[in-house]
Amino acid sequence: AQSVTQLGSHVSVSEGALVLLRCNYSSSVPPYLFWYVQYPNQGLQLLLKYTSAATLVKGINGFEAEFKKSETSFHLTKPSAHMSDAAEYFCAVTKGAGGFKTIFGAGTRLFVKA
Amino acid sequence: SQTIHQWPATLVQPVGSPLSLECTVEGTSNPNLYWYRQAAGRGLQLLFYSVGIGQISSEVPQNLSASRPQDRQFILSSKKLLLSDSGFYLCAWSVEQAPIGGYTFGSGTRLTVV
Repeated sequence: AQSVTQLGSHVSVSEGALVLLRCNYSSSVPPYLFWYVQYPNQGLQLLLKYTSAATLVKGINGFEAEFKKSETSFHLTKPSAHMSDAAEYFCAVTKGAGGFKTIFGAGTRLFVKA
Repeated sequence: SQTIHQWPATLVQPVGSPLSLECTVEGTSNPNLYWYRQAAGRGLQLLFYSVGIGQISSEVPQNLSASRPQDRQFILSSKKLLLSDSGFYLCAWSVEQAPIGGYTFGSGTRLTVV
């Protein structure tokens, strides 16, 4: 069975500081991995996805994530936080062909301090 | 371009009343459609998915049902709402049956059952 663990339900950083949101997954087959962002009272927006190409994936808004198979991790980073990055972030994993399910982590709320 | 519309944005309903939430997708044909529920402080729970007209799969036994009367229309219903049905409901679509490309989400419906 596949699962997703996001370490830290809340993360607070100062504006301009590094953003690091952690995600670990378990999957019996090579996974497809995603990060989504959700602003208050809105739907989720796809930030980036890993689909077995390059292990370092660049997404929108300056975010990137690195797939590390040995660590079963897919952490999300951004070199310099902006106030507009304050939102909730979800890591998700989808099994490959034959599966319909995407499993979402519980989410990490990012606070950005001025 | 593809767009997804979901309405209403907010809804307050008494216990025991019926429910109908609608989702439509534009700019694509034969999309795979999903209903998710997001409870406060928790991740997303897949409720239903559909790969075609009249084809509905349920992930969790519950007080809700879904229908797909047209290719790009997905409806979430209940005959009698329970307090536990409160939450944020998200409709989504994907190109693939196993959404390896990720989802596109609607803007969500905040349902409060009182």
